[in-house]
Amino acid sequence: DTGVSQDPRHKITKRGQNVTFRCDPISEHNRLYWYRQTLGQGPEFLTYFQNEAQLEKSRLLSDRFSAERPKGSFSTLEIQRTEQGDSAMYLCASSLTRQGFFGPGTRLTVL
Amino acid sequence: AQTVTQSQPEMSVQEAETVTLSCTYDTSESDYYLFWYKQPPSRQMILVIRQEAYKQQNATENRFSVNFQKAAKSFSLKISDSQLGDAAMYFCAYELFSSGSARQLTFGSGTQLTVLP
Repeated sequence: DTGVSQDPRHKITKRGQNVTFRCDPISEHNRLYWYRQTLGQGPEFLTYFQNEAQLEKSRLLSDRFSAERPKGSFSTLEIQRTEQGDSAMYLCASSLTRQGFFGPGTRLTVL
Repeated sequence: AQTVTQSQPEMSVQEAETVTLSCTYDTSESDYYLFWYKQPPSRQMILVIRQEAYKQQNATENRFSVNFQKAAKSFSLKISDSQLGDAAMYFCAYELFSSGSARQLTFGSGTQLTVLP
């Protein structure tokens, strides 16, 4: 399969715990995006990488959130000290010259 | 900041009929892209159709077509010959075309489309 993959697909955690999600983009894509989608809403932009450089971050990305893309390949999104308000679907997307390729998402539930 | 508005939270259509989903957006820019994405219950976003703002001709993709009115900042999606598999949440999205920007998507809140057999 050559699409965008995300792992895990579902994560249940207790408030205050740390969680980490992984995104594997389409191999030749140099742009990688993270979005957050709450129930009944459209996705909201979190952060953007071009190759290994994190070039833009939304103000939605509080200091409890950190994202990395070492070597410009896969990316990780970590949330520290999770809160119930972090419960959402976290979507990853990759592109080369235009938007279009999303992963299946990671559904996070914070109890 | 750019905003995208979808004023129809829910729509329904009879199988084989035609339905139009509405979208308006607000931007002061002149170069941008507009998209319609489909998100079935499995939750993976799928690109349906894309329109470049500099093109006057409306984009079409098989049974899907758009009505792009740049002056009115309107971008509606028409689905012809609706099929049961078209049932999904549909999102309108905007992307600023700029070499210096992240080119992230700004999404509307979505329209849930139900197709009735």
